[in-house]
Amino acid sequence: GESVGLHLPTLSVQEGDNSIINCAYSNSASDYFIWYKQESGKGPQFIIDIRSNMDKRQGQRVTVLLNKTVKHLSLQIAATQPGDSAVYFCAEISFSGGYNKLIFGAGTRLAVHP
Amino acid sequence: DTGVSQDPRHKITKRGQNVTFRCDPISEHNRLYWYRQTLGQGPEFLTYFQNEAQLEKSRLLSDRFSAERPKGSFSTLEIQRTEQGDSAMYLCASSLSGGGTDTQYFGPGTRLTVL
Repeated sequence: GESVGLHLPTLSVQEGDNSIINCAYSNSASDYFIWYKQESGKGPQFIIDIRSNMDKRQGQRVTVLLNKTVKHLSLQIAATQPGDSAVYFCAEISFSGGYNKLIFGAGTRLAVHP
Repeated sequence: DTGVSQDPRHKITKRGQNVTFRCDPISEHNRLYWYRQTLGQGPEFLTYFQNEAQLEKSRLLSDRFSAERPKGSFSTLEIQRTEQGDSAMYLCASSLSGGGTDTQYFGPGTRLTVL
């Protein structure tokens, strides 16, 4: 299949290790943040979201941390599996104007090695 | 599978031809979005519908691009007189407004190659 993000930064991890993917966002007024996973030849898949009034949210094997002071978002994946290999994008949303437009950050490729 | 479908999945066309893509959103979703994604980049917003009304268009959407959502359900994106620079993945997303976080769910995309 065709690759997404041929020149993206890559994080290489061993299967079973924990992964941390980082993202810097630009708009301090953003209300809501989302992490998406994109596999080759597919559209982005929702993983987890977090509102701006929170600093941590946990899902199944994933945790998102939000640091509004430095405008930084991270995605932690526990016990990384080969199926986690993909490009990961963070996205921010502002609710102002009654319209929610996603602004995607630069992606990170996660490569999981057996 | 998110429930958002797009057709075709791949389209190869010659420069100057017109192409049309279709998106079927999740059935109860009232909002529909089109994005464009080039290799190595995140998706970039093109346009947005709430029901059948097109409420926002990006400056990326030149006059050669037109989108419709005639009955507030499926949507079409047409590109006239295609150029090589139009080669990209065209993604559709849908969401349900009101009361929640309005999470956008993406379809698999249509890969356009302009020769």
